[in-house]
Amino acid sequence: ELKVEQNPLFLSMQEGKNYTIYCNYSTTSDRLYWYRQDPGKSLESLFVLLSNGAVKQEGRLMASLDTKARLSTLHITAAVHDLSATYFCAVDIKKGGSEKLVFGKGTKLTVNP
Amino acid sequence: NAGVMQNPRHLVRRRGQEARLRCSPMKGHSHVYWYRQLPEEGLKFMVYLQKENIIDESGMPKERFSAEFPKEGPSILRIQQVVRGDSAAYFCASSPRRAQGYTFGSGTRLTVV
Repeated sequence: ELKVEQNPLFLSMQEGKNYTIYCNYSTTSDRLYWYRQDPGKSLESLFVLLSNGAVKQEGRLMASLDTKARLSTLHITAAVHDLSATYFCAVDIKKGGSEKLVFGKGTKLTVNP
Repeated sequence: NAGVMQNPRHLVRRRGQEARLRCSPMKGHSHVYWYRQLPEEGLKFMVYLQKENIIDESGMPKERFSAEFPKEGPSILRIQQVVRGDSAAYFCASSPRRAQGYTFGSGTRLTVV
């Protein structure tokens, strides 16, 4: 059974600091997603990573994918309060005629002034 | 383009009642996925449907839960005889075809009292 493990699960950081969230997964996949969720809200798509070595950046967030290590990272640069949210990675699994996302448990990020 | 529409946004049911959750995919999307999110958890896959077909229901509980996506109208997730453990946020996602990414709806938050 595919496992997707994120760490840390909780992250409290000061504004202006840098940090990295890690996402390990246990089987091969050709597509990995990062989502942001604010309390009581839906999922906002941040990044789709399609190939080994893929790196994407949007503002203070940068995501990378190493398919050989089965590892993705979400790096936060110079955090600001507005980044406070829960971040999920999700691995796209295709099996037989089906396709689905398997999510990590999420990383709850709090950025303190 | 209204995006993925879910209704109701909030639903309160007494134990033993039925809950019906609706999902209208984005225009042009014929693939629908339902996920459940328990408090403080990631999303868990429930079922994948195409028009008039259930492709993968491996994440659905064997009893009380059913899903459909008729030729006309929204996809429906039906929970019969709800219990307190069914309280969760239920999200629907749609895609135009396999391997084309997912758009999530705003979710239905079910509370069983």
